[in-house]
Amino acid sequence: DSGVTQTPKHLITATGQRVTLRCSPRSGDLSVYWYQQSLDQGLQFLIQYYNGEERAKGNILERFSAQQFPDLHSELNLSSLELGDSALYFCASSPWDRSAYEQYFGPGTRLTVT
Amino acid sequence: DAKTTQPTSMDCAEGRAANLPCNHSTISGNEYVYWYRQIHSQGPQYIIHGLKNNETNEMASLIITEDRKSSTLILPHATLRDTAVYYCIVRVAWGGSNYKLTFGKGTLLTVNP
Repeated sequence: DSGVTQTPKHLITATGQRVTLRCSPRSGDLSVYWYQQSLDQGLQFLIQYYNGEERAKGNILERFSAQQFPDLHSELNLSSLELGDSALYFCASSPWDRSAYEQYFGPGTRLTVT
Repeated sequence: DAKTTQPTSMDCAEGRAANLPCNHSTISGNEYVYWYRQIHSQGPQYIIHGLKNNETNEMASLIITEDRKSSTLILPHATLRDTAVYYCIVRVAWGGSNYKLTFGKGTLLTVNP
């Protein structure tokens, strides 16, 4: 158990819909990273937040957005869903934003868009 | 981030040491070598990391060549539960602006009974 929690574990929704994925980092960790894992693209970095502020962006679509709240949990919002958005979404946390600290991953949310 | 090259797959007998190689010939002086693994559809799990010295923890050992262009992850006594995809990742340790992890395709290690 990494100490990172993600909800829900599974999500099935239709195209065009909007969903919110939630992540609670390990106690004391200020930085949250979001990753997407699809069959054809592998694990890809989406976005990072540190203590409530956006720190870095990766291959995140404009239809996707994220935020980190004062209690440090983070949410990833996916809108206008397409079939290709079906994937595993992982969040990871680490103590700092600009350091070599390892990242600890949650169990993921499996999103299926039908 | 420096690019890494790993074999697509490897087999290992249960109880034997598993040696997973990684080439990172373009690694920079301020980049660490990290190893993660992912058991089927679970979240990636941190294993170990190092800069230039060999490292050991309760899970594995990491051997980095003197020129830092390659490394080997050693699982000393592989078990069936070590069957997973192992990712070798090179990531900046300081002076960068983005500390994301860039995952390649990794090595699928299959531990056989």
